[in-house]
Amino acid sequence: GAGVSQTPSNKVTEKGKYVELRCDPISGHTALYWYRQSLGQGPEFLIYFQGTGAADDSGLPNDRFFAVRPEGSVSTLKIQRTERGDSAVYLCASSLTGGQGDNEQFFGPGTRLTVL
Amino acid sequence: AQSVTQLDSHVSVSEGTPVLLRCNYSSSYSPSLFWYVQHPNKGLQLLLKYTSAATLVKGINGFEAEFKKSETSFHLTKPSAHMSDAAEYFCVVSAYSNTGKLIFGQGTTLQVKP
Repeated sequence: GAGVSQTPSNKVTEKGKYVELRCDPISGHTALYWYRQSLGQGPEFLIYFQGTGAADDSGLPNDRFFAVRPEGSVSTLKIQRTERGDSAVYLCASSLTGGQGDNEQFFGPGTRLTVL
Repeated sequence: AQSVTQLDSHVSVSEGTPVLLRCNYSSSYSPSLFWYVQHPNKGLQLLLKYTSAATLVKGINGFEAEFKKSETSFHLTKPSAHMSDAAEYFCVVSAYSNTGKLIFGQGTTLQVKP
């Protein structure tokens, strides 16, 4: 079946603008994660959804970042007043049930965000 | 808090020779550990995972890793490198929480020379 998809694959925006990044998880996966990968670094956790609710948003860097998953499937990561330091690859992952243990997370190809 | 440290940022091997990518972890409990691979312009792919069963874990494409509690290590090995193994490799620990969020190491770039 289809894997995790993310759109757009690339996004170039100007400092101060608003952007939305979309993630389509694997069908039936209740858990959804967002990570951010800066150049030369490993991915860093941003937020975790179980169903429609954000169960852990401790990784969001500040209140300019917000994410939703209104129907428990597609998720949108929203960044307001973008800054150059927001430039990174934003990765989405989904897993069947989430939670502690060996639930494999399946990653999408990412959205490369460039803030000029 | 849990963390992983990848001891080499860059490893270069010749095709057909063994691969060793080193990872040390820090955890106050029995961790779940993973190795992920990231090929250029492709998504992260799970190579293998350790979840307190056998300490020697076999993964895809001939890779394996051994969990050594006494050394807090989880090194990734492969007997014979192939050109297609060239990629970025991440050692990962699952955070001690009910979310399953992953904590990634800094990554090791594997270069395979012909």
